[in-house]
Amino acid sequence: QLQLVQSAGEVKKPGASVKVSCKASGYTFTKYGMSWVRQAPGQGLEWMGFITGYTGNTNYAQKFEGRVTMTTDRSTNTAYMELRSLRSDDTAVYFCARTVTVIPPYSDFWGPGTLVTVSS
Amino acid sequence: DIQLTQSPSFLSASVGDRVTITCRASEGISTHLAWFQQKPGKAPNLLIYVASTLQSGVPSRFSGSGSGTEFTLTISSLQPEDFATYYCQQLDAYPLNFGGGTKVEIK
Repeated sequence: QLQLVQSAGEVKKPGASVKVSCKASGYTFTKYGMSWVRQAPGQGLEWMGFITGYTGNTNYAQKFEGRVTMTTDRSTNTAYMELRSLRSDDTAVYFCARTVTVIPPYSDFWGPGTLVTVSS
Repeated sequence: DIQLTQSPSFLSASVGDRVTITCRASEGISTHLAWFQQKPGKAPNLLIYVASTLQSGVPSRFSGSGSGTEFTLTISSLQPEDFATYYCQQLDAYPLNFGGGTKVEIK
């Protein structure tokens, strides 16, 4: 069955980096992309970016350009999102979401989320 | 960037009520819009895509309509499990922004 298993929550200090993983199963990984969306405590959803499963092409929200890197490992069907230079306002739940690679690119299945806490 | 404005941001309703949520885009996005439901502590769940196509497994009491800049999500008869927060997302141009959300609570 369709599954997106995300890595466990992490606590990081300001200035550090975090790398969240999202292991997919139950579908052909290369036929879809993966979006990353975050949600700060009590706040709405914020789109961070998207990576295609086959070519690894990326599109990042300008807000995160230079600080985020999204990658995939086709050998393990895993997507990764690394965020650097963490600040306290990066504290959030980070979701991966399977995304169709047609127009429009909607996200039809989501991982459970990974809580990243940034605190000194 | 395309901005989405949802209204209302908060809605109090009773079981059996018909509920309508509006999402307005800052520029035309054709029918490139999706709607999600999110319950506390859970990931969002896709309800509708391409403005009006019901995702597989989603109850038929949910429907979507609209094109261009104005869209609506309608729940024809609110059920207890529908109390949640609803988000629209535009899928026309990057960044694929979300609306601010509409929280539907029990009256």
